[in-house]
Amino acid sequence: RKEVEQDPGPFNVPEGATVAFNCTYSNSASQSFFWYRQDCRKEPKLLMSVYSSGNEDGRFTAQLNRASQYISLLIRDSKLSDSATYLCVVNGVNAGKSTFGDGTTLTVKP
Amino acid sequence: GAVVSQHPSRVICKSGTSVKIECRSLDFQATTMFWYRQFPKQSLMLMATSNEGSKATYEQGVEKDKFLINHASLTLSTLTVTSAHPEDSSFYICSARTGNSPLHFGNGTRLTVT
Repeated sequence: RKEVEQDPGPFNVPEGATVAFNCTYSNSASQSFFWYRQDCRKEPKLLMSVYSSGNEDGRFTAQLNRASQYISLLIRDSKLSDSATYLCVVNGVNAGKSTFGDGTTLTVKP
Repeated sequence: GAVVSQHPSRVICKSGTSVKIECRSLDFQATTMFWYRQFPKQSLMLMATSNEGSKATYEQGVEKDKFLINHASLTLSTLTVTSAHPEDSSFYICSARTGNSPLHFGNGTRLTVT
């Protein structure tokens, strides 16, 4: 089993749709969690950190469920510019290794 | 803030030569830097973890003698691809962080070995 697993993609949605991605992690002692987006042939960029209380940034909402060991990302009112690959990242104990999911590809269509 | 600069962004070299890629944290001290490789339409693959002043920890299957990593200061790590071959052609990306902070990525180096 992979340490970090994401929903297999691709997700193809129309503009304006709401889409949700999930990510599960195997190490219950993992300490911090993040969502990144990666555009084709570019480096990943931090989208948002994920906190236990849940956090929102505009159209994006991230949530963490420690009991079930998953994090989620909700995108509301999808835009064409949201098309990208979304990666969840989990930091290990004591600032240990950062582990990536394989990414979920989102395509927003007009 | 939290800018990571990677250089060069693109390099073409002949088979058998060595290529050095630099990764610098410009406005923070990076206790840990990571090196990745990504082939087209594939996910990032962690190659090694580099802590300042100590030897890099390589992932299984990554040859440490071929991919030399040096992390001499809190703001600079280098990856040298030695005796490069066409199969080493890939997108190499570094990332850096302090403690348990988010990772910040360099803009990647596209290596083509002819």
